[in-house]
Amino acid sequence: EADIYQTPRYLVIGTGKKITLECSQTMGHDKMYWYQQDPGMELHLIHYSYGVNSTEKGDLSSESTVSRIRTEHFPLTLESARPSHTSQYLCASSGGGGLAGTDTQYFGPGTRLTVL
Amino acid sequence: AQSVTQLGSHVSVSEGALVLLRCNYSSSVPPYLFWYVQYPNQGLQLLLKYTTGATLVKGINGFEAEFKKSETSFHLTKPSAHMSDAAEYFCAVSDRTGGFKTIFGAGTRLFVKA
Repeated sequence: EADIYQTPRYLVIGTGKKITLECSQTMGHDKMYWYQQDPGMELHLIHYSYGVNSTEKGDLSSESTVSRIRTEHFPLTLESARPSHTSQYLCASSGGGGLAGTDTQYFGPGTRLTVL
Repeated sequence: AQSVTQLGSHVSVSEGALVLLRCNYSSSVPPYLFWYVQYPNQGLQLLLKYTTGATLVKGINGFEAEFKKSETSFHLTKPSAHMSDAAEYFCAVSDRTGGFKTIFGAGTRLFVKA
């Protein structure tokens, strides 16, 4: 059973608000990821981190930002939410030191964000 | 760059029938291939993965998948569907050319009829 947590699970917020989506894992994994998931669409990687103080943008352009000050914590922030940000956001982590690219990713339950 | 195509956004089977979910990938180098399952209101969890070695991979809950290089496919099968298999299934690929980032398909929703 993977231990990766996301809060809040659901968030409805007005346009222009600043929001932070929390993600924590207790597995000591060095790699963490944020994905955006829309119905019928591929999961899109929006941010990833390979360790503390290391963050990179993913393949899908996003107006969000992330930080990785502690191994276990990888929050995502939207400075000014817009209706186009409405989506499901999934956090994941992986580790293990095996062959690069073979890691199993462990996912949190997601945050469903609605921006009015 | 690598990519994943899952044929069929929805698949419906009867309980006890064969489950076949199709996945084709595009990769110019040896790929690593994954199937993940997502139950309602949960995150994805790994069903099985192919890295190297035996091309027939067995996973959890009776699922298996076969890596066929000549067909660039990694189809997921289960001999007998159970109601609890109803979920969304994602195929994914990673390889060296993509910096080993995992690329996910659009998912296939499996319905199981009683």
